[in-house]
Amino acid sequence: DGGITQSPKYLFRKEGQNVTLSCEQNLNHDAMYWYRQDPGQGLRLIYYSQIVNDFQKGDIAEGYSVSREKKESFPLTVTSAQKNPTAFYLCASSETGARETQYFGPGTRLLVL
Amino acid sequence: SQQGEEDPQALSIQEGENATMNCSYKTSINNLQWYRQNSGRGLVHLILIRSNEREKHSGRLRVTLDTSKKSSSLLITASRAADTASYFCATEIQGAQKLVFGQGTRLTINP
Repeated sequence: DGGITQSPKYLFRKEGQNVTLSCEQNLNHDAMYWYRQDPGQGLRLIYYSQIVNDFQKGDIAEGYSVSREKKESFPLTVTSAQKNPTAFYLCASSETGARETQYFGPGTRLLVL
Repeated sequence: SQQGEEDPQALSIQEGENATMNCSYKTSINNLQWYRQNSGRGLVHLILIRSNEREKHSGRLRVTLDTSKKSSSLLITASRAADTASYFCATEIQGAQKLVFGQGTRLTINP
């Protein structure tokens, strides 16, 4: 099955802790994206990557970090600097860039203990 | 303020009726996309319309784009209970390598 997967489905973070959200795709897409969604709101772009070993900040990158060491993987770390991390996090990919359809994973819900 | 703003924020109709959602944006775009999200799930792409297109159809979906008014509409005909979801427009702004999403329209289809 081709697709994009995220894990875990739910993640709990203690104060001061860094946590990493996983995103994997087997669609052979070059571009990958991380979005944050707050209740009743649209999506806001955190980071995006158009090619391996390269990524750019989105609109709300503060308190987050990413890596793109492999084409199929784009993990997101929520650092302790992110003071309000409770949200629904969505990963997406597209063939080459924003001009095309984005395919979304099922999301990870991050909650703060 | 948002690049893409959907109107209405919420819409409730009876099964079988048509549902129309609107999206307005502020700056010039390369394309506009519509996505659907069921509660607590990821987004699913519905349709992409390019800036040089005025109308596209896909099954029961009809999308229009008016670049002079910087607006788009999504029409779902003969609605079904399974169409209950949030619908988002997303614009690819000229010169930017990213999509900007609106706040969404929550559509409820009553059986």
